[in-house]
Amino acid sequence: EAGVTQFPSHSVIEKGQTVTLRCDPISGHDNLYWYRRVMGKEIKFLLHFVKESKQDESGMPNNRFLAERTGGTYSTLKVQPAELEDSGVYFCASSQGLAGVEEQYFGPGTRLTVT
Amino acid sequence: RKEVEQDPGPFNVPEGATVAFNCTYSNSASQSFFWYRQDCRKEPKLLMSVYSSGNEDGRFTAQLNRASQYISLLIRDSKLSDSATYLCVVNGGGSYIPTFGRGTSLIVHP
Repeated sequence: EAGVTQFPSHSVIEKGQTVTLRCDPISGHDNLYWYRRVMGKEIKFLLHFVKESKQDESGMPNNRFLAERTGGTYSTLKVQPAELEDSGVYFCASSQGLAGVEEQYFGPGTRLTVT
Repeated sequence: RKEVEQDPGPFNVPEGATVAFNCTYSNSASQSFFWYRQDCRKEPKLLMSVYSSGNEDGRFTAQLNRASQYISLLIRDSKLSDSATYLCVVNGGGSYIPTFGRGTSLIVHP
């Protein structure tokens, strides 16, 4: 069974540019989560989809971040315009049940560097 | 006070040693607890869930102490392959958003 995949694995962009990250969850997993890890800090929750609906986006830092999950399959996370503090590793995870209750499966992450 | 706190380490131990990590959490209403393992530049992977009664999986034992609000992970007979960062994950109590600790780094040397 294919795991969670993310694209790209690395992205280096300049401040002010736009970047779109993609996550393909495990097939059949309704729950999809985005997280971010800034260097030296803990992994932080960004938002949670159940199918195509945003269940909780309380962790999104500001309105420069936009996440979508059209059709309840893959998800995208767009950062526009990017700022230096957006640098970090963005993980996507999926689970059948809620991640607070069941195991969640992580993708390999996208390492974003904003210069 | 951080919601989930871990000693970052590193814990540097020889092969065969027994090592234990603790993780404290601040929300007394937390319901679910997990240990994840993260290898360098890789994604986190579930090591084990932590049940109220404690649980054991081979060389790994996890325990929960609700009174003192901490969970522990004990690794017996450490292997070189156990070298990794161990992440404590707690659900927020009242919500199902997982909260992560910063992780504890373990280095097992020959």
